[in-house]
Formats: sequence, C-alpha cells, structure tokens
Amino acid sequence: DAGVTQSPTHLIKTRGQQVTLRCSPISGHKSVSWYQQVLGQGPQFIFQYYEKEERGRGNFPDRFSARQFPNYSSELNVNALLLGDSALYLCASSLGLAANYEQYFGPGTRLTVT
Amino acid sequence: TQLLEQSPQFLSIQEGENLTVYCNSSSVFSSLQWYRQEPGEGPVLLVTVVTGGEVKKLKRLTFQFGDARKDSSLHITAAQPGDTGLYLCAGMDYGGSQGNLIFGKGTKLSVKP
Repeated sequence: DAGVTQSPTHLIKTRGQQVTLRCSPISGHKSVSWYQQVLGQGPQFIFQYYEKEERGRGNFPDRFSARQFPNYSSELNVNALLLGDSALYLCASSLGLAANYEQYFGPGTRLTVT
Repeated sequence: TQLLEQSPQFLSIQEGENLTVYCNSSSVFSSLQWYRQEPGEGPVLLVTVVTGGEVKKLKRLTFQFGDARKDSSLHITAAQPGDTGLYLCAGMDYGGSQGNLIFGKGTKLSVKP
C-alpha cells in the first residue's frame, strides 16, 4: 500500500508570495495533520483535520491555513511568506483522530523562501 | 506548555558500540513515541510506549517508558552504520485540541564503520 504522499518535493518562493502544499493520506485514513520542521529542530504541530473539519491548531499566525477534501487529501496554504517560513513541511495521516491512533508521516515538502 | 528534552543532542560512535538516548519531561504523557528520521525524509515510527515501566524491544533497539510516564529511553546494542539518523521522541498532547504530537529536538546519531 502507498504511504503518505506530498507534493511538491521542493519549492523555492520569494518573500511575500503565497504557497500551497498538498498531501494525500494513506488509503482509509481520515485524519491529516500538518507539522513544520525547521532545520535542527523537531517537528512543530500546525493543524489537524478530521472528516474535513479543523480539530486542532498550533501556535501559528493566521497566514497559515488548511483544508481537507472529501477524499481526505489536504492542502496547507501559507500567505505573505517570510524568510522564517523556510522549513520542511510534513503531513501525517492517521485512521482517526490523532489522539487515538498512530500517525504516519510523508516525506515532506522542503520550502525555501528567499 | 509541555516540553520534551532529548539528550545528547549529537552522538558519534563506532560500529559495534552501545548507546542510550534520553527523552525527559516535567509533564506526564499518556504515551510516548520514538521516530527515526533520515535527511530530507519524514519521521518513521519505531515504537509507541503507553504503560509506565513498559519495556519494548525491536531487534537491537530497546525502549523504556519511565514509571511516572515523564521520561523514556532508547538503547541501541551493537550499533551499525544503518542506525545513523535523527532519533525523535514525541508525546501526545491532549490539551486544547483533538490530540497532536509534541516533539523533542532530536538526537543526531552517526555510526562510523
């Protein structure tokens, strides 16, 4: 079975631009969570979606938004990019709410903001 | 705010040596997970420990959850170059959301042949 897939693999953007990252969960998984991993740090929670509804939000500004589609795939949008947004963005899927099920991570999207 | 501190931050050893990585918190976690991450890839789940005092073995890797569920350790016996990577511990945070993982900063392990 295919694991969590993310696209694109790498992305270079300029300050002030907007970016959309995509994630497809493992087949049968209904929850998707997004994490930001800055170089040298552990991943930091951004959002969790379950059954197309936001079920959790980390300490990130409103420039970050996300949504989940009927097929359980998800998009993460970041507006007005800052240099500090450069990071590896990870998507994780789980069967149900992350509180009750183990999360499985995708390979991530490496975003570089210049 | 719940925090997980990992030590050491970096570890460079020779093939065949043993090592222990620690994950500590002042907070109680209902479960702790250990992940291994290679450069440019996502974390891969190694194990979940749930019960205080629990010990789980995965081939040459031994994971332990502290009795008070505030700390955990990962012991690798006879390390091999294939064990090289970033080892992350993560605890489930139930406060204010439907559950999300809080990660430590990780231990970067390098095993030299």
